[in-house]
Amino acid sequence: AQTVTQSQPEMSVQEAETVTLSCTYDTSESDYYLFWYKQPPSRQMILVIRQEAYKQQNATENRFSVNFQKAAKSFSLKISDSQLGDAAMYFCAYRSATEEKLTFGTGTRLTIIP
Amino acid sequence: EAQVTQNPRYLITVTGKKLTVTCSQNMNHEYMSWYRQDPGLGLRQIYYSMNVEVTDKGDVPEGYKVSRKEKRNFPLILESPSPNQTSLYFCASSPTLPPHYNEQFFGPGTRLTVL
Repeated sequence: AQTVTQSQPEMSVQEAETVTLSCTYDTSESDYYLFWYKQPPSRQMILVIRQEAYKQQNATENRFSVNFQKAAKSFSLKISDSQLGDAAMYFCAYRSATEEKLTFGTGTRLTIIP
Repeated sequence: EAQVTQNPRYLITVTGKKLTVTCSQNMNHEYMSWYRQDPGLGLRQIYYSMNVEVTDKGDVPEGYKVSRKEKRNFPLILESPSPNQTSLYFCASSPTLPPHYNEQFFGPGTRLTVL
């Protein structure tokens, strides 16, 4: 079974600075997807960024980028120019290419310091 | 507006009193799923459905039932709720089945407390 590990329960960053959230996963599959979801106080699950395992290039969405290391099974999220609206719980998630189920990590609560 | 809706959004109930949390999507999605979110555990899948009348267990199905009589609806049933089912519940849907990729759309969540 696949597992996703987020070893940082809480992180904080100064506004306008850069922060990196860590995620590692375990799988025996070669084809899969990885995601970062944001959950603000409203509790809504918002997809931040997605990475296909077959793509070597790291995904980027505006201020959000990932560092995908397939051999190391590592998938970190970098948030540049942190803003107050980035404060939320962030979940790393894994999805096999053969099923729809998302396997989530335990989450990292990000605080932005004004 | 394309969306996944859940009702109720908040519910406080007592042990043993049957309840249903409804989930509905207006996007004609084939795949629907229920997750529960608990502190320190992230989200875990309870049940999922690949199409009408096709449902299967996820990782934590004990104490729950589901049905998929119509494509748009996927209710979660707790026949005899217990305090360990106090949690935040999410319904999600997706338009296609593997291996094709499409984003999963999440509902707004239902906060359930069982006393």
